[in-house]
Amino acid sequence: GEDVEQSLFLSVREGDSSVINCTYTDSSSTYLYWYKQEPGAGLQLLTYIFSNMDMKQDQRLTVLLNKKDKHLSLRIADTQTGDSAIYFCAEKAGGGNKLTFGTGTQLKVEL
Amino acid sequence: EAGVVQSPRYKIIEKKQPVAFWCNPISGHNTLYWYLQNLGQGPELLIRYENEEAVDDSQLPKDRFSAERLKGVDSTLKIQPAELGDSAVYLCASSSGPGQGAGGELFFGEGSRLTVL
Repeated sequence: GEDVEQSLFLSVREGDSSVINCTYTDSSSTYLYWYKQEPGAGLQLLTYIFSNMDMKQDQRLTVLLNKKDKHLSLRIADTQTGDSAIYFCAEKAGGGNKLTFGTGTQLKVEL
Repeated sequence: EAGVVQSPRYKIIEKKQPVAFWCNPISGHNTLYWYLQNLGQGPELLIRYENEEAVDDSQLPKDRFSAERLKGVDSTLKIQPAELGDSAVYLCASSSGPGQGAGGELFFGEGSRLTVL
């Protein structure tokens, strides 16, 4: 079955790097995603990675995928107060377009 | 370009009352989703539409929940009767098609927050 897990909280200082981790169980995942949710808002796609890649960089964001360990991480360089939000990882497995989301990691950026 | 629009944003009802949520997806998006998000949890899929056809409703509690997507555009999600445990945020999302090449970006609305007293 599908199960996606994340740690609940992360606190960093402004300017530091943040690393948010995620583990998943479905080895047939084709794509893995990172979504951001600000208070009172819907989810916004930040980035995604195809399962045959092990790294993807997009400006301040770096996604690392360890397919053997089913571990996904999101690194945010030079974290800013505007990055404070809940971050969800999600996987797509099998046919169709169903995403399974993790429980979310609340990132708090302190001055 | 307008995003996914949902209404109402907030709804407070007493248990056993009915409630309905409405969603207008991004123009041209064939795939529409309803997700349930409980407090402190990630979204969980309730139902997915391809045009007007419900292709995945396995997680929809059909005894009290119903959904429709007439003409393959707007969609409504109804709960009748509502229970205390239905208090949550109901998110609507749309995408341009199943498994589209870039990996299927879902565009989410702001959600409808339901409180059942």
